[in-house]
Amino acid sequence: AQKITQTQPGMFVQEKEAVTLDCTYDTSDQSYGLFWYKQPSSGEMIFLIYQGSYDEQNATEGRYSLNFQKARKSANLVISASQLGDSAMYFCAMREAMDSNYQLIWGAGTKLIIKP
Amino acid sequence: EAQVTQNPRYLITVTGKKLTVTCSQNMNHEYMSWYRQDPGLGLRQIYYSMNVEVTDKGDVPEGYKVSRKEKRNFPLILESPSPNQTSLYFCASSLSVTRMPDTQYFGPGTRLTVL
Repeated sequence: AQKITQTQPGMFVQEKEAVTLDCTYDTSDQSYGLFWYKQPSSGEMIFLIYQGSYDEQNATEGRYSLNFQKARKSANLVISASQLGDSAMYFCAMREAMDSNYQLIWGAGTKLIIKP
Repeated sequence: EAQVTQNPRYLITVTGKKLTVTCSQNMNHEYMSWYRQDPGLGLRQIYYSMNVEVTDKGDVPEGYKVSRKEKRNFPLILESPSPNQTSLYFCASSLSVTRMPDTQYFGPGTRLTVL
């Protein structure tokens, strides 16, 4: 079963609009972390935001916020006031505390294109 | 500047010719890891290291070797590359994995083509 599901393969959004990228996850671990990364066309992987499973507040980092709904096992990324430079692939990832490899488990990604 | 560096960024080679992709971090991170990214398969972990002289296999270790002789360096070695190792490779590091958040920071990637 998929541990991280990103249901939107691609999205087009008008510049300056807010955008929500969906991510649902599956784990039986009580302690885990959720991450969002941005991968522009140049290929690098850029860390955006982190949410811990025990964090009561939704994480925010500048224009990025994470809409964390633990009971629904969702961790959607919200980008406010989108910019042309936000066009990229966005990946949701999870690290389970019980994972002996300490690896990140990745979703398939969402390709976001911002239209001028 | 705090960063993870990888070299080379691009490499085209031929089957069987040994190569090394270097990875270095200047953040005194304990944990380092190698991933490969392939279309439709996402990112998969190759090897990881908890600290100096401590390395272990990830999900797809076949055909790769690593070493961790110094804290800052974690080279990926392909002893006899094959075309199925054509991929985008990422090195990542985090301060610790025993304490959340254990955010992994990624290098710029190495695009490898094996002919």
